[in-house]
Amino acid sequence: QKEVEQDPGPLSVPEGAIVSLNCTYSNSAFQYFMWYRQYSRKGPELLMYTYSSGNKEDGRFTAQVDKSSKYISLFIRDSQPSDSATYLCAMIETGANNLFFGTGTRLTVIP
Amino acid sequence: EAGVTQSPTHLIKTRGQQVTLRCSPISGHTSVYWYQQALGLGLQFLLWYDEGEERNRGNFPPRFSGRQFPNYSSELNVNALELEDSALYLCASSFGEQPQHFGDGTRLSIL
Repeated sequence: QKEVEQDPGPLSVPEGAIVSLNCTYSNSAFQYFMWYRQYSRKGPELLMYTYSSGNKEDGRFTAQVDKSSKYISLFIRDSQPSDSATYLCAMIETGANNLFFGTGTRLTVIP
Repeated sequence: EAGVTQSPTHLIKTRGQQVTLRCSPISGHTSVYWYQQALGLGLQFLLWYDEGEERNRGNFPPRFSGRQFPNYSSELNVNALELEDSALYLCASSFGEQPQHFGDGTRLSIL
């Protein structure tokens, strides 16, 4: 079993839809949680960075962490064609520095 | 502010050859990380350098090595290249416990 599980999709939604992306994990030592967006032929771009359980909002993006269920989510409101990319969840243990990534979910927003 | 820069952007090598990839971190960042993104395998942690020292390495053979220079830039060396080394090699940098920011990678193809 991988330490971080993420549905690879692909996921296609119409423009304006709310998108929900999810990851589960098995390592209780993970304390920091990130979402990265990766466009084709580019490196991952940091979208959200959270530490504690709960919600964090930044514009159209909301990151949600539930440590008791070992489950994190990223919600995208009013999705745009420019949101079409691969979304990667990533996690890190306290005291460590190497990221553990999900396999990524490929999202397409259709105009 | 300049982001993480990597060179070269593309490389084609043959089996058995050696390759060196380069990374310049964001100004002020002291840690550099290397990841491999192979098709179907997701992003996997290779190496972490901080203040010129190797701090951690992932589950890769010793033919993957590197170093960090006094100006915090870094090199990744891969010896005795194998076909399965074909991948996108990503460098990331950070300062302290701040999140990692990635470059756009070097795409390595082994023939």
